[in-house]
Amino acid sequence: QLQLQESGPGLLKPSETLSLTCTVSGGSIRSSSFYWGWIRQPPGKGLEWIGSIYYNRDTFYKTSLKSRVTISIDTSKNQFSLRLTSVTAADTAVYYCARDRYYYDSSGAVWGWFEPWGQGTLVTVSS
Amino acid sequence: EIVLTQSPGTLSLSPGERAILSCKASQTISNSYLAWYQQKPGQAPRLLIYGTSNGANGIPDRFSGGGSGTDFTLTISRLEPDDSAVYYCQQYGTSPRTFGQGTKVEIK
Repeated sequence: QLQLQESGPGLLKPSETLSLTCTVSGGSIRSSSFYWGWIRQPPGKGLEWIGSIYYNRDTFYKTSLKSRVTISIDTSKNQFSLRLTSVTAADTAVYYCARDRYYYDSSGAVWGWFEPWGQGTLVTVSS
Repeated sequence: EIVLTQSPGTLSLSPGERAILSCKASQTISNSYLAWYQQKPGQAPRLLIYGTSNGANGIPDRFSGGGSGTDFTLTISRLEPDDSAVYYCQQYGTSPRTFGQGTKVEIK
């Protein structure tokens, strides 16, 4: 059974850099059928996709966050990571990593749904 | 980006009743690329439905999805106490993928 687990600091000061790692167990991160994504959820609010990465390091990000986000992957460790620079209070959220379904159909390449998800880790930005 | 508006905000029903949750998109979702998730307090979301009406692995057939264009629904027939959760829709027809704000289902 595939499992994902986030890890990283839970408290940051404004302007610092958020760094989180997701460790994948029970399966290989080198799958042609999946990207690996990061999604966040501010307290009491909805979900926001941040970006996703493929085992070959192909990445794509939400445009509004692109200037501050870097997602990387280490296939030897079955891990992928999120880096978000210049954080503010608005970046306070539970950060989830998740497997991101990728496939082709008659429309072409499809980046679809997320399953499974990690348990999530709360990152608080406060001075 | 596509905005998904879910209604109602909260649904309070008794066990055995049927819940119908709505997800309306600000523009047509191509190929009905819509998914639904269930999130219980303190837990990660769990995939229920993808492709508008396809049940994810291990999901009871009490959960069903439908719709097209801009209007989609999640139906939970025969509610059980364990169905108490927040339900989110997510579109993946247009980048960036976006989520609705959620509908909370309370079981009386």
